[in-house]
Amino acid sequence: GQQLNQSPQSMFIQEGEDVSMNCTSSSIFNTWLWYKQEPGEGPVLLIALYKAGELTSNGRLTAQFGITRKDSFLNISASIPSDVGIYFCAGQYYGGSQGNLIFGKGTKLSVKP
Amino acid sequence: DAGVTQSPTHLIKTRGQQVTLRCSPKSGHDTVSWYQQALGQGPQFIFQYYEEEERQRGNFPDRFSGHQFPNYSSELNVNALLLGDSALYLCASRKGQGAQPQHFGDGTRLSIL
Repeated sequence: GQQLNQSPQSMFIQEGEDVSMNCTSSSIFNTWLWYKQEPGEGPVLLIALYKAGELTSNGRLTAQFGITRKDSFLNISASIPSDVGIYFCAGQYYGGSQGNLIFGKGTKLSVKP
Repeated sequence: DAGVTQSPTHLIKTRGQQVTLRCSPKSGHDTVSWYQQALGQGPQFIFQYYEEEERQRGNFPDRFSGHQFPNYSSELNVNALLLGDSALYLCASRKGQGAQPQHFGDGTRLSIL
């Protein structure tokens, strides 16, 4: 099935460092979303972006909807051990009968205390 | 305010059997989508239900079918199970058919022997 290009695949960082990950697509999306998934759990919504160029923050997390509508990035500032998990980007079309999410393969984040 | 709930949490079946997975959407949500997440991959869209009808379908065979009930809860049925059907099955819900973000349950881990 279709998946977005998400990078990096994994990151090993020291506590306190900033993190940046991004997602690109060959298709235009109307919505970009970022989710975090921890072992044994479903994806949890972190940030939703609805407009090209939009920059949205949620605590230490900041995400942007690319102006071409084909990409998005997520930054985490001053990482802490509980940031560990897999981060997924997802694009969504809407309108008409569309509305399913297309996901990236995820970025696995490990944080050393 | 209960989130998306799924049952059972784990299930073991053998090849050729049939399985039914259940989902109750988040309170106030009326649209339910199902996703399959293989190990190390992002979720893949199976289908979406709204007003008790299948509104959109991903690239999955007819062995995968579903149903939505008047209380918005939903079932995913898979017939003639194959080893490759082993995965985490996620249910997501949202309100309406527009740009509202989807919220996920913790999934059902299906293992095929």
